[in-house]
Amino acid sequence: GAVVSQHPSRVICKSGTSVKIECRSLDFQATTMFWYRQFPKQSLMLMATSNEGSKATYEQGVEKDKFLINHASLTLSTLTVTSAHPEDSSFYICSAGFYGYTFGSGTRLTVV
Amino acid sequence: AQTVTQSQPEMSVQEAETVTLSCTYDTSESDYYLFWYKQPPSRQMILVIRQEAYKQQNATENRFSVNFQKAAKSFSLKISDSQLGDAAMYFCAYRSARETSGSRLTFGEGTQLTVNP
Repeated sequence: GAVVSQHPSRVICKSGTSVKIECRSLDFQATTMFWYRQFPKQSLMLMATSNEGSKATYEQGVEKDKFLINHASLTLSTLTVTSAHPEDSSFYICSAGFYGYTFGSGTRLTVV
Repeated sequence: AQTVTQSQPEMSVQEAETVTLSCTYDTSESDYYLFWYKQPPSRQMILVIRQEAYKQQNATENRFSVNFQKAAKSFSLKISDSQLGDAAMYFCAYRSARETSGSRLTFGEGTQLTVNP
């Protein structure tokens, strides 16, 4: 079945620095990947849709300049949180696949 | 726009008993997919079961089955013989069938299931 690998699983960074999160499709090519943010005990909130070879589509209210998405190949999408601040601390999850999407294991970001 | 509603924020069940989680959705489309995902404390999202809207037969995966009522736009999940490992947050989700890999998932708010020994 479709496997999506996400790294890192946890990251702690200082306020003002940037953090990159990778999402890879291991056994299939993903022209589209999705990036979500999830707060504790809440549902997943779609941040953006990543399209291979083109610009990502961001949801309303998501800062494009803060959350940079690059989908340079059919197996890799990256989310870079730029100039991170404590309010960016959250759980970030990617997904891709067919019909029933497969999710990465998520990244817990803590900004101190 | 499509919406998905889970009206039960929390549910509990005794081990070995049966529990049903509710989900309703709103859409103007006729062809779509519905899913139930499980998110245990590890926070890994796991696909539990999938239903294609064009299929009248309710999907079943071992102890998990759905009651899909298309006209009523209802999609409940029944867990039989509940096990401690079933304890998790369960999300109902909707996806348009227009594209095989490009349509977003719309999630419900989630139902936290507790399994009591």
